[in-house]
Amino acid sequence: EDQVTQSPEALRLQEGESSSLNCSYTVSGLRGLFWYRQDPGKGPEFLFTLYSAGEEKEKERLKATLTKKESFLHITAPKPEDSATYLCAVQAASGGSYIPTFGRGTSLIVHP
Amino acid sequence: EAGVTQFPSHSVIEKGQTVTLRCDPISGHDNLYWYRRVMGKEIKFLLHFVKESKQDESGMPNNRFLAERTGGTYSTLKVQPAELEDSGVYFCASTRRQGGDEQFFGPGTRLTVL
Repeated sequence: EDQVTQSPEALRLQEGESSSLNCSYTVSGLRGLFWYRQDPGKGPEFLFTLYSAGEEKEKERLKATLTKKESFLHITAPKPEDSATYLCAVQAASGGSYIPTFGRGTSLIVHP
Repeated sequence: EAGVTQFPSHSVIEKGQTVTLRCDPISGHDNLYWYRRVMGKEIKFLLHFVKESKQDESGMPNNRFLAERTGGTYSTLKVQPAELEDSGVYFCASTRRQGGDEQFFGPGTRLTVL
């Protein structure tokens, strides 16, 4: 069974204090690993897809990286508007249903 | 382009009652997914429609849940009769193609069963 574990559960940062969120996964053949951002009262919003170990993607202050066992979401010089819950999900290559398995998320608060 | 919409945003019902949730996907998106997040847990898959057909309903918890997508446009998810453990946030998402990377999520319906 595919599993996704995210750490830490919650993270408080000062504005400008860079950090990383972790997503550890086990999957029977990885098709893709996804990062989403979720604001309170809203649905998840897509950020990145990573397909293979060594791949990196960037968007503004966010950078996602992937190894064979985990993914990191690096946040450089965060701002208060980066406060949100960040979700990681994996999609298995087998089965054909392409259903993602989600982690519980990391709740990030950035203080001004 | 309008996003995925869900109705209602909140629903509070008593155990044993019936509730119907609605999802309107992005126009042209053949693939529609229902998910549920129970408090403190991860988002979990319920089922997947391709147009009006159920492609995968392996995540449906039991036969108290009935999903439909008549005409391949909007979808409804009916819970009858509702139980306490059905409480949670129900999300709908859509994609243009199956296996599409970016799933567009709606804002969710928060269901509380008392």
